[in-house]
Amino acid sequence: ETGVTQSPTHLIKTRGQQVTLRCSSQSGHNTVSWYQQALGQGPQFIFQYYREEENGRGNFPPRFSGLQFPNYSSELNVNALELDDSALYLCASSLPKGLNTGELFFGEGSRLTVL
Amino acid sequence: GENVEQHPSTLSVQEGDSAVIKCTYSDSASNYFPWYKQELGKGPQLIIDIRSNVGEKKDQRIAVTLNKTAKHFSLHITETQPEDSAVYFCAARNDYKLSFGAGTTVTVRA
Repeated sequence: ETGVTQSPTHLIKTRGQQVTLRCSSQSGHNTVSWYQQALGQGPQFIFQYYREEENGRGNFPPRFSGLQFPNYSSELNVNALELDDSALYLCASSLPKGLNTGELFFGEGSRLTVL
Repeated sequence: GENVEQHPSTLSVQEGDSAVIKCTYSDSASNYFPWYKQELGKGPQLIIDIRSNVGEKKDQRIAVTLNKTAKHFSLHITETQPEDSAVYFCAARNDYKLSFGAGTTVTVRA
């Protein structure tokens, strides 16, 4: 157990809808990253949040957005859902900069199915 | 950006034998190389990592080697056990971002 919790664990949406996924980071971790893992593939970096601001972004369109709250928890929002958005969405937390060893602690993920 | 390639995509070994997974990376600025194990329905779990200033690291039955000049790194699992069956991912980090390989499905036959 990493201490990173995600909700919901599974959800089904239809094309065009919007979804919000939530993540609580491990205690003491102020950096949260989100990854998308399509079936049979490795995780792909979406973005990272540090001190409530986006700190880096992968190759994902603007309809993927996020938030980080003062307690370091985070949300991933996806608008105008497409069929290809069906994937496991993983949240990972890491130690503050300066203490950061590079290790990411992943949650169990939120499985999104878009019909 | 960083491109990580991982081979093989599937690996079947007899219990007690060794398993080796190899990865290459493209960005010479990458400085941290973790390996993750992912079981069905779960998130990736870090099993071992290595930094760019180290050539080899071992933790019980698991070892990782890094060749910075050739830009490749490998995972070695010795004396495999049924509980080693899972999907293994290599990754390379440059600054804030981890780039993952496509994964290797390891099956340990009893």
